[in-house]
Amino acid sequence: AQSVTQLDSQVPVFEEAPVELRCNYSSSVSVYLFWYVQYPNQGLQLLLKYLSGSTLVESINGFEAEFNKSQTSFHLRKPSVHISDTAEYFCAVSDAKYDKIIFGKGTRLHILP
Amino acid sequence: ETGVTQSPTHLIKTRGQQVTLRCSSQSGHNTVSWYQQALGQGPQFIFQYYREEENGRGNFPPRFSGLQFPNYSSELNVNALELDDSALYLCASSLRDSVSEQFFGPGTRLTVL
Repeated sequence: AQSVTQLDSQVPVFEEAPVELRCNYSSSVSVYLFWYVQYPNQGLQLLLKYLSGSTLVESINGFEAEFNKSQTSFHLRKPSVHISDTAEYFCAVSDAKYDKIIFGKGTRLHILP
Repeated sequence: ETGVTQSPTHLIKTRGQQVTLRCSSQSGHNTVSWYQQALGQGPQFIFQYYREEENGRGNFPPRFSGLQFPNYSSELNVNALELDDSALYLCASSLRDSVSEQFFGPGTRLTVL
């Protein structure tokens, strides 16, 4: 069975500082990995995804994540956060056969002024 | 292109009642997945529908059931509501292939009293 562990439930960080949100997964088969973002009172939006190829994937708003197969990790990073990045971030893994998504419990990113 | 829509946005029911939630897929998508997101938790996969048939189910009891219609819209039905059914219910649509992205609707907030 697949599972996702997000190691931090909350991460406070000062504006313009770097941030890393940690994610580890377990799976016995090949997986696709995702980061979703949920802004307050909104649905989920895909931030970035790893399907194959380059292990470093980037989003349009400055986030990046690196797939590390040996450590079964997919940590999310941003070199300089903005107040608008305040949101809940969910790491997720997909079982390619059924296309369902298994989510972690989420990490709340709290930007300090 | 119309995104995923869900109705109603909010709903209040009492224990033992039945509820029906609705989802309209994004244009061109043929697969619908439903997720339950309890407060402070990540979304949990309920089931997926493809070509009007259930195509994968998570760890939810039979009182959670669904339908998909020829236009690919979908319903989630929950019978004999329990207090623990209070949650945000998310619908996601996608194209049926092994690497498709799921697009989420804004969700229906269900409160069971």
